[in-house]
Order: sequence, then structure tokens, then C-alpha cells
Amino acid sequence: GNSVTQMEGPVTLSEEAFLTINCTYTATGYPSLFWYVQYPGEGLQLLLKATKADDKGSNKGFEATYRKETTSFHLEKGSVQVSDSAVYFCALRVSDYKLSFGAGTTVTVRA
Amino acid sequence: GAGVSQSPRYKVAKRGQDVALRCDPISGHVSLFWYQQALGQGPEFLTYFQNEAQLDKSGLPSDRFFAERPEGSVSTLKIQRTQQEDSAVYLCASSHRGENTEAFFGQGTRLTVV
Repeated sequence: GNSVTQMEGPVTLSEEAFLTINCTYTATGYPSLFWYVQYPGEGLQLLLKATKADDKGSNKGFEATYRKETTSFHLEKGSVQVSDSAVYFCALRVSDYKLSFGAGTTVTVRA
Repeated sequence: GAGVSQSPRYKVAKRGQDVALRCDPISGHVSLFWYQQALGQGPEFLTYFQNEAQLDKSGLPSDRFFAERPEGSVSTLKIQRTQQEDSAVYLCASSHRGENTEAFFGQGTRLTVV
């Protein structure tokens, strides 16, 4: 079956620190990979995505590269801000509908 | 509206009560999904509609859960005889059909069964 394993949190960082959240996956077929973010009090929002091997998704200073050889899609940001405090979910999708999510990683950035 | 709208935002139900959760997808979106998110967990797929057709209900946890989308727009998730383990946030998402389309999520309905 399809599944996603992501780094457990919570993660607490200082502003301007480097953030990495690890994500690995198991999938039948060729998945598309996603990072979703859930800010406090808000719904899930798509942060970035990659649809094939070696693609790099990027948005708001975050990046993730689809690594087929290591079945990974790690999320990185070089300099976090307080406003990046949120819960981050790695997800995959095979075929054109349902998403399989990881458990989520809570990130808190302190000024 | 511009986004996916869910109502109510919060629902407290007594054990054994029936509840109905509503989802208004983005206008024109063919695909509609329901997910269940337990506290501290990622969303888990419940069911999928393409227009009014329910193409996948493999994630519904029991026959107490029922979803419909009779006119291919608004959807309702109904839970009969609620139990404490049904307490979760229920998320609705909609999208255009296709492999590279983005799913847009509502803010969810937080159900608490007491």
C-alpha cells in the first residue's frame, strides 16, 4: 500500500535557523509528492509539490526534491521566520485522487 | 464563496446521536473528498466523489458512516449512532479532475462525542 513516514516533532527553532523535515514514502506506481501546511486556526494549504523524480518543488523559501532512489521528499528552508510556525504534512498521491498523509510535524519558531 | 466551506465548524454530540456535516466545494470542482483527522495525526481518506458518483468509499470506518452528493455539488457526511472514537476533525476537499490538479481543503468540522 501507500504510506508516508515523516519526522516526528515537535521541532523548536530560533528565527533564521535552518529547517529540515524528513519525509520518506512507500508507494505502488509513480506518486506525486506534496507538502501541506496548516497554520494555527486555518485549513490545510498546499505548500509545494513535485510530480516526477528529480523535480524540485519550491514556495515561500521552502524547497523539497523528489528523490526516487531514496524514496524521500525532505522539506528544507534556509532561514525560518516566526510566521513559519505551523504543522507540516508530507503527502503522496497515486492516480488522480486520494492523498496519503504523514502524521505531521509541528514546527515552532521563536523570535 | 471563493473556497471550500464546511459547516458547522464545531459539533458536540452525545454518544448515540446522529450528526450531519456539510461541505460546499469550490464551484465547478468535479472531485470531492472527505478525510478524517484524529488529534495529532494526519488526515485519513474516507471517501471520494466525482460529480454525484461515489467512486471510492473504502476509507469509511463502518456502516455508521454515509456520504452523499446528490446533485454533484454540496456533500453531506452523516454519522449514525456516534461513538467516542468518532471524535475528530472532518475535512472536505475539492478539485478539478486530473492528475496534476490541486486539492483545496476546507477548515474542517471538529466533532466531539461526549
